[in-house]
Amino acid sequence: AQSVTQLGSHVSVSEGALVLLRCNYSSSVPPYLFWYVQYPNQGLQLLLKYTTGATLVKGINGFEAEFKKSETSFHLTKPSAHMSDAAEYFCAASDTGRRALTFGSGTRLQVQP
Amino acid sequence: EAGVTQFPSHSVIEKGQTVTLRCDPISGHDNLYWYRRVMGKEIKFLLHFVKESKQDESGMPNNRFLAERTGGTYSTLKVQPAELEDSGVYFCASSQEADNSPLHFGNGTRLTVT
Repeated sequence: AQSVTQLGSHVSVSEGALVLLRCNYSSSVPPYLFWYVQYPNQGLQLLLKYTTGATLVKGINGFEAEFKKSETSFHLTKPSAHMSDAAEYFCAASDTGRRALTFGSGTRLQVQP
Repeated sequence: EAGVTQFPSHSVIEKGQTVTLRCDPISGHDNLYWYRRVMGKEIKFLLHFVKESKQDESGMPNNRFLAERTGGTYSTLKVQPAELEDSGVYFCASSQEADNSPLHFGNGTRLTVT
């Protein structure tokens, strides 16, 4: 069964610093990969997704993620953190042909002024 | 376009009682999903409807949970009788037909069983 691992349940960065949130998946067959963000008292919002093609995926709010098959990783980055980026971030995967998502346990990003 | 709406936003019930959660997907979205996040853990898939049919219910924890989607529009998730371990946030999501079309999530229902 597919599993998704997010390293670090809490990450704290300074405003303007690089954001790096780590995600690894377990499948031997590259799945579809997603990053979602949840702001307080809101639902999950899609940041970006990888299906096929270009391995560097750009999303909303300046975020991007790179699919690395050799490392089974899909880490999320943003060059410069803003206070408004403080939220919980979820990496998710779905096996091709199955639409149900398998989520990681989430990483709460804190941005310090 | 209205998003996915869930009702209620919060529910507090006693162990042994029944609770029904409702989800209204985005109009025209045939695919509807239920997920659950138990305190501090990962979000887990419960089931998937395509229109009114259950496509995949492999994540339903036990027979105390019953999901329906009569007419292929809104969906309900009933927990009867509720147990303490059922506490968590229940998310509903919907998507269009395409295989990798993104899921649109509701704000969730926070269920507390005391």
